[in-house]
Amino acid sequence: EDKVVQSPLSLVVHEGDTVTLNCSYEVTNFRSLLWYKQEKKAPTFLFMLTSSGIEKKSGRLSSILDKKELSSILNITATQTGDSAIYLCAVDAYNTDKLIFGTGTRLQVFP
Amino acid sequence: GAVVSQHPSWVICKSGTSVKIECRSLDFQATTMFWYRQFPKQSLMLMATSNEGSKATYEQGVEKDKFLINHASLTLSTLTVTSAHPEDSSFYICSASTTSGRATGELFFGEGSRLTVL
Repeated sequence: EDKVVQSPLSLVVHEGDTVTLNCSYEVTNFRSLLWYKQEKKAPTFLFMLTSSGIEKKSGRLSSILDKKELSSILNITATQTGDSAIYLCAVDAYNTDKLIFGTGTRLQVFP
Repeated sequence: GAVVSQHPSWVICKSGTSVKIECRSLDFQATTMFWYRQFPKQSLMLMATSNEGSKATYEQGVEKDKFLINHASLTLSTLTVTSAHPEDSSFYICSASTTSGRATGELFFGEGSRLTVL
């Protein structure tokens, strides 16, 4: 059965800290891995990763995929209170239209 | 970017009543839409895949007679929670992708509907 697991489930840090969120997957016919940020309502798209070892970067956020280890990490440097959210990892496969979502990591950043 | 509108954003109903939630793609045609359920502080759980003009495909453990999905047009899918009970209280989110979205992997989400059953 396809599955996506994220760790940690919850993380509490202070502003300015750097955090690393993990996502591992076991999915047949893997196509891509996606990261989303969810605050109060709908998730918003962050990154899509298809190739191993190529870092995607957007401001203080960056992410990389390791296909050999079947995993990805999402880094947030110099965290701010506005980074507080649930971060969702999802995997897309070739043989289906649906995304398989991970368990999510709840990040809380305190001043 | 593509916009998905979901309505209502919140609804409170009595136990035993049915509630309909609409999901509309405003500026693109979505042959496939997805319905998710999310419990507090948890991840999205896919309930069903809604295909325009055909029956929805439900995930294991989701009661199709309880959660009726209709995708009558390329821009509208509806989820009806029939004979709602307090345990159905949850946050329901829909999503859809454009053709280009499938290439980039980007999925557009509705704002979600919070259902509270008293």
